Amino acid sequence: RKEVEQDPGPFNVPEGATVAFNCTYSNSASQSFFWYRQDCRKEPKLLMSVYSSGNEDGRFTAQLNRASQYISLLIRDSKLSDSATYLCVAAGGSYIPTFGRGTSLIVHP
Amino acid sequence: DGGITQSPKYLFRKEGQNVTLSCEQNLNHDAMYWYRQDPGQGLRLIYYSQIVNDFQKGDIAEGYSVSREKKESFPLTVTSAQKNPTAFYLCASSIGGRGRDTQYFGPGTRLTVL
Repeated sequence: RKEVEQDPGPFNVPEGATVAFNCTYSNSASQSFFWYRQDCRKEPKLLMSVYSSGNEDGRFTAQLNRASQYISLLIRDSKLSDSATYLCVAAGGSYIPTFGRGTSLIVHP
Repeated sequence: DGGITQSPKYLFRKEGQNVTLSCEQNLNHDAMYWYRQDPGQGLRLIYYSQIVNDFQKGDIAEGYSVSREKKESFPLTVTSAQKNPTAFYLCASSIGGRGRDTQYFGPGTRLTVL
C-alpha cells in the first residue's frame, strides 16, 4: 500500500508561536484526508478533516495541495495544551485509511 | 452514550499463550478495524471488517485472528504465532468501510507479553 510520510519532529515551540506541519502522500487516488491528534498513551482523536478548498477551525487551518500531493496543518497562537502527536491520514475509494507516523509537537512556556 | 470500548486496558500474558482483546461499539457502524502501535511508530493495520461476517487482512495480519459475528463486536486474538506481541492495540470503527469515513477509536489495550 502507498505511504503517508510526516516529519516526526519534535517541533519545540514557545507558547503563542505559529507552527506548521506538512504531510505527503504517494497514492494519487487518495480522496479524503484527515488530521488526528494523539496524546501520550491515548487513542487518536479526529482534529479535522481536510477539504479541497481548505478549512479552518479556530486556531487550526488545514490545506490540501493535490498537485504536489501534500496536506498541511497550521496552528496559530500555540497553547501548552496543543502538545501532542499529530497524525496525518489519507484515504479514498476502496482504500483503507493510511496513517502517517505522526509529528510530535511540544509547546513550552 | 454512543462510543467504542475496549477491554481490558492493560493485559499481561505469558509467552506462548493466546489472548483475546475485546472491542465493542454502539455507534451502529458497519466497518471496524484493528491497529497496532509500537513506541514512536504510527498505526499499522492488522485486520478490518467492512460488514458483519466478513473481514480482510491488513498489513500485519500474521499471528492474529479476528471474527465479526455481530455488527457491534470485533474481537482480536493474538496467537502464540505472533513473534513480538507486546504493543498498544487500538480498535476503530467508521460508518462505512469506504476509507473516506471518519474513524473513531477506542481507548486501546496495552498488551505486555512476559
